[in-house]
Amino acid sequence: EPEVTQTPSHQVTQMGQEVILRCVPISNHLYFYWYRQILGQKVEFLVSFYNNEISEKSEIFDDQFSVERPDGSNFTLKIRSTKLEDSAMYFCASSEMSGALGDEAFFGQGTRLTVV
Amino acid sequence: RKEVEQDPGPFNVPEGATVAFNCTYSNSASQSFFWYRQDCRKEPKLLMSVYSSGNEDGRFTAQLNRASQYISLLIRDSKLSDSATYLCVVINQAGTALIFGKGTTLSVSS
Repeated sequence: EPEVTQTPSHQVTQMGQEVILRCVPISNHLYFYWYRQILGQKVEFLVSFYNNEISEKSEIFDDQFSVERPDGSNFTLKIRSTKLEDSAMYFCASSEMSGALGDEAFFGQGTRLTVV
Repeated sequence: RKEVEQDPGPFNVPEGATVAFNCTYSNSASQSFFWYRQDCRKEPKLLMSVYSSGNEDGRFTAQLNRASQYISLLIRDSKLSDSATYLCVVINQAGTALIFGKGTTLSVSS
């Protein structure tokens, strides 16, 4: 079964450092997403991406965050200068069609980011 | 009012029990609704979509009441393997993002 893969599974970084979280969405999917989940809290939307541009972003997704699809397979989330409160599980997801059509979003297993 | 609200539980039930979870959403323009399941420290996985007419998948039944902006999930004949957090999810108005509730935790015991 096709799956969304994320690397690394766990990353520890010092406050103020830049991190890049990597995702390989399912190959025929066109819509890509990043979500995060702080321990014990709900899954929060960060950004959606379609046709090589951001289609929506939340208030959390400020200037410290950026996304990129550098080639035909990878989808990355960059945090420029990490803060302690960025510590969370970051999930990448992809879907074949728009969520507005009720299409299922498939999630990767997540990257646990710990900022120290 | 929060976008998606759920009773956090936990619901502790014996095997074989029937349990129901409820969810309310604030945006009346939302068009797509889902129940996802999340096991501890794992990614969310789609359990079922929720349709206006109600839908059933084995032991699981989902209902949507658009007038009340209310979604429910009924689990019959609970199994130990049903222990998880159940996430109510609503598509935003633009159709570009899933909005998650905080989840309801279910623990099924033998």
